[in-house]
Formats: sequence, C-alpha cells, structure tokens
Amino acid sequence: NAGVTQTPKFRVLKTGQSMTLLCAQDMNHEYMYWYRQDPGMGLRLIHYSVGEGTTAKGEVPDGYNVSRLKKQNFLLGLESAAPSQTSVYFCASSPTGIYPGHGSGQFFGPGTRLTVL
Amino acid sequence: AQSVTQPDIHITVSEGASLELRCNYSYGATPYLFWYVQSPGQGLQLLLKYFSGDTLVQGIKGFEAEFKRSQSSFNLRKPSVHWSDAAEYFCAVGVKSNQFYFGTGTSLTVIP
Repeated sequence: NAGVTQTPKFRVLKTGQSMTLLCAQDMNHEYMYWYRQDPGMGLRLIHYSVGEGTTAKGEVPDGYNVSRLKKQNFLLGLESAAPSQTSVYFCASSPTGIYPGHGSGQFFGPGTRLTVL
Repeated sequence: AQSVTQPDIHITVSEGASLELRCNYSYGATPYLFWYVQSPGQGLQLLLKYFSGDTLVQGIKGFEAEFKRSQSSFNLRKPSVHWSDAAEYFCAVGVKSNQFYFGTGTSLTVIP
C-alpha cells in the first residue's frame, strides 16, 4: 500500500495564479483532511470530508476550495493564490474520523511545500 | 472554543534521560486525544491515542501518555530517550464536529 500520497511535492506560484493539490489514499478511508502547517502555528484544518461527495469547512477555509468526487481522492484548490498561502500543506485520511475503532487516528501524506511570490 | 496548548516550544534532553512533553486542552465534552510525531521533512505519524478507559495509554516507540481530566492534560512520556527520538511532537484533540485541533508543537533535541 502506498498509504497517503500528495502531488506535487513542491510548487512555486505567482500571486493570482491558481493550482490544485491532489491527495490520494489507497486504504479505503472515509474521512479525509487538508491542513496547512506554518512555523509556530502547528497544523490548522482547512477543509475536510466525511465521505465521498461531502466536504466541510475547517478552521481556516478562506481562499481554498475542495472536492471529493471519488472516495480515494481529495483535491485542494487555490483559485487566486496569495503570499499568505505560502505554507506546507498536509493531507490526511482516517477510517473512523475522531471516533475510536480499528485503525483509528489519522494517516498523513508527506506534504506539499507551496511558495507564492 | 476548543484549543490545545503545548507550553514548551523546544526541549533538549540527553540521550538516556527521561522525557515529558506537556499538553493541555480546552474542550467542554469528553475529549479524544492524540499524540503525533513529525520527523524533519516528513508527514505526521500517530504515536498514541486516548478515547476512554484506562487513563495511561501505551503507544509506539516506547511512548506513553496519561490523561488527567482534573488538569485537562495529556502529557507524553518516555523513560529513556534515544537519539532517533529527535523530532517535533504534536498533541491533538478530536471534537464532535469531526475536526481535529492541533497544538503548536514541541521540538525535541537529543544530546548524545
């Protein structure tokens, strides 16, 4: 199993450009999450999904959109990138979300480092 | 509002010494609590989790954590630190809206 993979690993954008980050998981997990990690701020939840076709806003959703058309994929879009969106983006998946159960907890991808100039 | 506080930004310990990383949470209901570790340039890996029951939970790599409801704490411990434990550690709480809130992390340096 590849686990959680993220594409691309690195990207540099100019202000105003758009891009899509792809997260894929092969563990048949229902729940998927997008976080951003900034120095001194830990991880902050951008959007999440509790199943195929569903999405919900997290703590810092402004400037981002997401889609989960297939269970295994969770896409994060930036329509008009801003320098404030320079960050490391992590995707995670989970079989049970916050709840206890077999294999509970989140499984994280390796991250995408995004720089917006 | 829910929040997670990790008071120590950075901790340095000698190899073989014991370790305790602090985590305090603020959440009105019964919390679901997690500790993750992040090595440089990597994603996060789950160390251990607490949902209910025994307040002392064991995790991977020799780590354990104790849930203390009266202190709203979930501190991570290891009796003897190895050089390979140098990393950043994150405490997280799961809330009923299916969201996770993370602390700001504690960076661990291990001195040979």
